[in-house]
Amino acid sequence: QVQLQESGPGLVKPSGTLSLTCAVSGGSISSSNWWSWVRQPPGKGLEWIGEIYHSGSTNYNPSLKSRVTISVDKSKNQFSLKLSSVTAADTAVYYCARIEAVAGIYPWGQGTLVTVSS
Amino acid sequence: AIQMTQSPSSLSASVGDRVTITCRASQGIRNDLGWYQQKPGKAPKLLIYAASSLQSGVPSRFSGSGSGTDFTLTISSLQPEDFATYYCLQDYNYPRTFGQGTKLEIK
Repeated sequence: QVQLQESGPGLVKPSGTLSLTCAVSGGSISSSNWWSWVRQPPGKGLEWIGEIYHSGSTNYNPSLKSRVTISVDKSKNQFSLKLSSVTAADTAVYYCARIEAVAGIYPWGQGTLVTVSS
Repeated sequence: AIQMTQSPSSLSASVGDRVTITCRASQGIRNDLGWYQQKPGKAPKLLIYAASSLQSGVPSRFSGSGSGTDFTLTISSLQPEDFATYYCLQDYNYPRTFGQGTKLEIK
């Protein structure tokens, strides 16, 4: 079965760029699915960041669009998130997940906490 | 963006109780809604998709209903492992938006 695993620095300085990668195993990133990033600030709710198709097509949350880039690397079966000009408000657990068309978001990665602090 | 409003925000219930959580969309979303369960320190888990379809492996005590703007998640008989936070998510259009969550606690 498909599994996802996030990786990347757990600490990013203010005004810097947050960079995370999601490795997909047990399936191909070139399947007919979108691949998504979702975040959750400590003690708060879930926020959809954006998603990508293996062709490179993307959809982003307008609230983050000016700072977000999601890319895909089919050769490594992974996709990535970059969030620029980060502030403390970007401190959150970041999840990657697969989107099944009209069938919800699953599976999810375990999540990785990114703290923005100097 | 479509706003998703869940109610209640928190709920205390006992094992064996029947519980209903509601999610209301700010505009019609057909049946493009999912329900997710999240336990502390864990990733969300898909319970229901397309408003009323039970995800594989999810116990049948969970059910979903609704269409348009009003949706419900029902747990027919609460089990100890069901105490968690529940979120709805609309995937009718972009941006995908979650409800604010309903925390289900033990009475």
